Parts: sequence; C-alpha cells; structure tokens
Amino acid sequence: AQTVTQSQPEMSVQEAETVTLSCTYDTSESDYYLFWYKQPPSRQMILVIRQEAYKQQNATENRFSVNFQKAAKSFSLKISDSQLGDAAMYFCDYYSGNTPLVFGKGTRLSVIA
Amino acid sequence: NAGVTQTPKFQVLKTGQSMTLQCAQDMNHNSMYWYRQDPGMGLRLIYYSASEGTTDKGEVPNGYNVSRLNKREFSLRLESAAPSQTSVYFCASSLGQGSFYNEQFFGPGTRLTVL
Repeated sequence: AQTVTQSQPEMSVQEAETVTLSCTYDTSESDYYLFWYKQPPSRQMILVIRQEAYKQQNATENRFSVNFQKAAKSFSLKISDSQLGDAAMYFCDYYSGNTPLVFGKGTRLSVIA
Repeated sequence: NAGVTQTPKFQVLKTGQSMTLQCAQDMNHNSMYWYRQDPGMGLRLIYYSASEGTTDKGEVPNGYNVSRLNKREFSLRLESAAPSQTSVYFCASSLGQGSFYNEQFFGPGTRLTVL
C-alpha cells in the first residue's frame, strides 16, 4: 500500500523568508500524481500545487515550487517570500489511477511577522 | 456554482444516537469521498464512491455507512454514534479515478461531537 510521510509536524518561518516542507512517499507504481494541499484555520482544503510523476520538470505556482526527486521518492514544497496568509496546515498527497488520495499527516506552518 | 456543500456545519450527538451527514456537489464530478480529520491529524478516508452506483470502503469504515443517492449527492450515516467518532468530517469530489490530475475539491467540513 502507498504511504505518505511528512516528518516535520511543525515549522516556522519569518515573513518574507523561504521555507521548505518535506514529504516522502512509498509506492511501487511508476505513474502517479503528487499534490500539496493547504488547510488554513478556516478548515477549507485548498490545492496549492500538483506534480505528475512522469514529468521531470518541477512544478511551480507563483511563490510555491516543488523539488520532486522520483528516485528518492521525495516531494518537498518550497514557499518563497512567505506571507502571513501562508500560515496553515500543509498536506502532501499521493494519487494513482488505482486508489483515492493518500494523505500525509500534515505540517503546521507558522509565519512570524 | 457552489462547489461542494455539506450539512450540517456543526452537530452534537449523544452516544447511541444516529445521524446522516449530507454532501452535494454541482461540478458534475463522478467520484465522491468522505474523510474524517482528528485533531493534529491528516485526513483519513472513510468511504468513497468512484462513480454513481458504487461505493467502497476506505481506511476507517467501521461504524459508518454511505449512500450515493445520485451523481450529485453522497451521504454518510452514523447508525450508533460513539465518542470515538468525534471528529471533523469532510466531503470531497473529483472528476474521477483515472482522470488526469483528479484534483479533489473539498466541502467546508462538519464538526461532530459525540458525548
């Protein structure tokens, strides 16, 4: 079965600085997708960024980018120029065509003004 | 276009009571999901419906039943609530397994407390 591990329960970053959230996963499949979801205090789950496993190029969405290392099964999220609104729980998620999303346990990010 | 809606937003039950959580989506999605989120935890899949007319167990199905009423609606029923079912429940929908990306869209959640 696929598993997703987020080894950092909590992280903090100064406003305007850069922070990287870690995620590793375990799978025997070769074709899959990886996602980072954000859950602010409002509890609403919001998709931040997605990556297709067959693409070597790392995905980027404005201040958010990923470092996807397929061989190492690593999928980290980098947030540049951190803003107060980035404070949230961040979940790393795995999806293949055969199973629903598998969520990691999350990393709580605090942004310090 | 409301996306995914859930009712109720909050509910308090006594042990042994039953209730149904309602979920509806207006995005013409094929797949729908029910998750629970316990404090400090990620989301755990309770049940999902890959398409209208089908339902499958997820990681934590015990104590729950589901009904895919039609393509839009997917309900979650607690037949005899227990304190261990105190949690926040999220419904989600997606185009469908096998679809490209299969991004999930989430409802706002239902906070359930069982006394």
